[in-house]
Amino acid sequence: NAGVTQTPKFRILKIGQSMTLQCAQDMNHNYMYWYRQDPGMGLKLIYYSVGAGITDKGEVPNGYNVSRSTTEDFPLRLELAAPSQTSVYFCASSYGGNSPLHFGNGTRLTVT
Amino acid sequence: GDSVTQMEGPVTLSEEAFLTINCTYTATGYPSLFWYVQYPGEGLQLLLKATKADDKGSNKGFEATYRKETTSFHLEKGSVQVSDSAVYFCALSYLGNDYKLSFGAGTTVTVRA
Repeated sequence: NAGVTQTPKFRILKIGQSMTLQCAQDMNHNYMYWYRQDPGMGLKLIYYSVGAGITDKGEVPNGYNVSRSTTEDFPLRLELAAPSQTSVYFCASSYGGNSPLHFGNGTRLTVT
Repeated sequence: GDSVTQMEGPVTLSEEAFLTINCTYTATGYPSLFWYVQYPGEGLQLLLKATKADDKGSNKGFEATYRKETTSFHLEKGSVQVSDSAVYFCALSYLGNDYKLSFGAGTTVTVRA
């Protein structure tokens, strides 16, 4: 059982470049989330989805876009990378409500 | 709005020492409370949770009690091991916020042999 799979694990981008962080889950979870983790700041919610075709903004959505065409996949798109987007990005999924979140192992992104 | 405040780290302990990580919260509703743990190089995973006042969550020797009167959910373990070295996050969620988790800043714990 793979759980939540994120790719790539590491990436270095130049300012202004774009990229997509991939996230896939095989647990048939309806809810999926993208967080960023910055030192001493905990995790901040970027976007989330309660099911295929439905997405909504979290606390820090600016500079990011998402789509949810299938239950399994929830890619995060950075269109014009900025140094402020240097962070570790985590994807998570759950059954919703108070059920626990299952996290991927993260993508470490550096923008220079 | 809702928020979680954790004691700042890093915390360094010797094996078999007692660990406490303080967590307090503010919330407009009646939240559920969680502790998540992040081992080096991994994503977060649920350690324990409590969904109502006076509930005690426990797992892997860790415990935390939901104290509504002090708005706290402190994490404790009586005898830590080197394998408990990790970052610990307190978090809350509630119905009025669509159960989206709000995380504390995290506390890094290092246990020395």
